[in-house]
Amino acid sequence: QKEVEQNSGPLSVPEGAIASLNCTYSDRGSQSFFWYRQYSGKSPELIMFIYSNGDKEDGRFTAQLNKASQYVSLLIRDSQPSDSATYLCAVNNGANSKLTFGKGITLSVRP
Amino acid sequence: DVKVTQSSRYLVKRTGEKVFLECVQDMDHENMFWYRQDPGLGLRLIYFSYDVKMKEKGDIPEGYSVSREKKERFSLILESASTNQTSMYLCASSSPSGGAHEQFFGPGTRLTVL
Repeated sequence: QKEVEQNSGPLSVPEGAIASLNCTYSDRGSQSFFWYRQYSGKSPELIMFIYSNGDKEDGRFTAQLNKASQYVSLLIRDSQPSDSATYLCAVNNGANSKLTFGKGITLSVRP
Repeated sequence: DVKVTQSSRYLVKRTGEKVFLECVQDMDHENMFWYRQDPGLGLRLIYFSYDVKMKEKGDIPEGYSVSREKKERFSLILESASTNQTSMYLCASSSPSGGAHEQFFGPGTRLTVL
């Protein structure tokens, strides 16, 4: 059973801090990795994806991938109350277009 | 921008009814997916389709069927709705070109079965 695990959470950080969200995956053949943000009552929206080892930055968001250790993380710099949401990690194994999702972690940014 | 639309945001049905949930995407994507999302269980794949008239079972297909007669439209059918099918249903689409396989979601349909 291919699994994607995320910290149980919830995670609470003060406004302006760095929020670090972590995700591990079991399938060593995984090819691409995604972070989605989901506000309460809304559908998931793609924040960014990564498929090479290392860091990928997009504004205040940085995705980090370490295939040897089978983890992917999302850093949110200068956290804002509007970042308060559930963050879903998803993984694709390259064999087809299916994604395996983690259960998500809820982030709360305190003003 | 990719746009995925779903026929209803909220739906209330009675046990035993046949229920149709419609999903339409406007980006000519080959792949379409139906998920349900429940608290504590995360997103679970019901069915997906990688081409017109093609479908594959996901992790929880029991009690559901799908139809894809046109590339842009993917329908989820609950043959005889039951209370344990009360859930948020999410449709998504993706394209294999480019290799990343990112999926884009519709707004969701919150279905309540009484």
